[in-house]
Parts: sequence; structure tokens; C-alpha cells
Amino acid sequence: DVKVTQSSRYLVKRTGEKVFLECVQDMDHENMFWYRQDPGLGLRLIYFSYDVKMKEKGDIPEGYSVSREKKERFSLILESASTNQTSMYLCASSLPPPQGGETQYFGPGTRLLVL
Amino acid sequence: AQKITQTQPGMFVQEKEAVTLDCTYDTSDPSYGLFWYKQPSSGEMIFLIYQGSYDQQNATEGRYSLNFQKARKSANLVISASQLGDSAMYFCAMRLPNTGNQFYFGTGTSLTVIP
Repeated sequence: DVKVTQSSRYLVKRTGEKVFLECVQDMDHENMFWYRQDPGLGLRLIYFSYDVKMKEKGDIPEGYSVSREKKERFSLILESASTNQTSMYLCASSLPPPQGGETQYFGPGTRLLVL
Repeated sequence: AQKITQTQPGMFVQEKEAVTLDCTYDTSDPSYGLFWYKQPSSGEMIFLIYQGSYDQQNATEGRYSLNFQKARKSANLVISASQLGDSAMYFCAMRLPNTGNQFYFGTGTSLTVIP
């Protein structure tokens, strides 16, 4: 079974703090993704990576950065947390085509509250 | 531009009845994949069903089936014989290989199964 783990289920931080969200997958997947989920907005892609040290901006990268030093680990960094970054953060991984129908496998999510 | 549209923010269904959750998509790419995910209140995203753009037949997985109407660009999820455990958020998503394998998600439909 594919397993995607995230370092924390719940996190409370103060405005201005640097925040690290870690994601690890154990299936040797090339692709990894970070989303944030907000009520009424669905999942919005922050960043994704299709290989070690590679990263691509998603739809809402502002205020975030990422790091992928190892294939199994994809980190999301909030350089200076702000209250509007309070959200649910979901990490996912997948295989690339031509596997085609391969779904994304999601971690359990991190609920971040920025005070 | 919205690539995935789910127009039903909330739905109710009687236990043991069937329910259809709507999803329309927008792409000019000939190759794409369509997915449905279930998110219970615990937060994890559970993959339900996949339909490829070249698949001739509608996908089925147990009580889930995907009503794929290519000309209408719709990919509705049908859940037969609803159970109380089906109460959850449901997300439709599209994968576009030509955009670096990004997944685009709808805003979700909250389904409540009534005993």
C-alpha cells in the first residue's frame, strides 16, 4: 500500500514564524504536490515537483517555497506565516504517464492555524 | 479559468437510494484523466474512480460509476444504494499530462445520507 505521511496533523504558529511542513512517500513516486484546501474553494495547487531538486509553481505559490532534496521527501515552507495562510494543507504523490490512470495518493493533511 | 466545475455545494440522499454528483470539465487537450475522490470528516482523500479520455466504456468500481459524456464534457459520479458511510465531501478532478501532470480540482459537493 502507498503511504504518504505528513509531519503534523495539527499545527499552531504565530504570525511571522517560519513554518516547515514535511511530506514523505514510500512508493518511489516521481511526482509530489502541495495543496491547500479551504471551504468553498476546493483544493488549490501551491507547488509541485516531478523530480529531485525540481519544482514548479502551481496556482497560488505566493508566500510559499518548497524543497525536494530527496525523492521521497517534499517540504513546504512558509517563510513568514500570516493569518491568511491558516488552512488545511494536503500533500500528494503520483507516478507520471504513461501509467496514465495513476491517481494521486494523499497524506492525512495538516491543519495549520496562524495566530 | 475554472477547469472543473461542481455546481452542487450540498446534496442529500435517502439511505439505499442512488445519487448523482455533477462534474463538468474544460480542456481542449485530447488526452486527460478524470478522477473522483471522497473526503470524510477525518480529512483524508480517498480515490474512488478513474476515467480516461480515450476509454470507450464508463468506469465502474463497486457501487461507484462514472457517467462520462465526452461531448458534453461531463463526468458525473453515480453512487448506488447509498450508505450512511457515504456522507462526505466529494471532489472531481482532472489530470492534464500536457501541463506537467497537474491535477485540477473542483470545489466539492458535500453529500449527506439520511437514514
